Amino acid sequence: AQSVTQPDIHITVSEGASLELRCNYSYGATPYLFWYVQSPGQGLQLLLKYFSGDTLVQGIKGFEAEFKRSQSSFNLRKPSVHWSDAAEYFCAETSGGSYIPTFGRGTSLIVHP
Amino acid sequence: DAGVTQSPTHLIKTRGQQVTLRCSPKSGHDTVSWYQQALGQGPQFIFQYYEEEERQRGNFPDRFSGHQFPNYSSELNVNALLLGDSALYLCASSLLRFTSSYGYTFGSGTRLTVV
Repeated sequence: AQSVTQPDIHITVSEGASLELRCNYSYGATPYLFWYVQSPGQGLQLLLKYFSGDTLVQGIKGFEAEFKRSQSSFNLRKPSVHWSDAAEYFCAETSGGSYIPTFGRGTSLIVHP
Repeated sequence: DAGVTQSPTHLIKTRGQQVTLRCSPKSGHDTVSWYQQALGQGPQFIFQYYEEEERQRGNFPDRFSGHQFPNYSSELNVNALLLGDSALYLCASSLLRFTSSYGYTFGSGTRLTVV
């Protein structure tokens, strides 16, 4: 069965600092990978996606993610975090013939001024 | 262009009761998926509807049922509510043939509290 691991439950960074959120996927072949962000009390917003091609993908709000097959990882990065980035971040994958994304448990980002 | 609309936004029900949640997909989308998100957890897939039929189902009991209408809107029904059904219920829409590559558009969810 597919599984997505987000090893960090909480991440705390200072405003202006760089950010990296970790994600590991389980599917052996090339998965489709996504990062979503969820602000308190809100639904999920798609930040970026990867399904083929360049392994470094750019998303909205200045986020980027890098697909590394050798590490089964799809980590999310941002060079300079803003206070408004404080939210819950979810990594998800779909694979093979499944159209159903499997989500990780999420990483809560706390931004200190 | 309206996104995914869910109603109601909040709901309080008593254990044993039944509840119906509603979802209108994004314009142009033909597929609706429902997720349950417990506090502090990622969304868990309940089921997906396409062409008014349940296309796939996650690991949820038969107390959870759904429906999709000809206009692509959808309902989620939960019978015999348990305290553990308290969660944020998310509706997500997509265009089926592009779902794997383009992902879903999510609504803001319905917060269900069972007391």
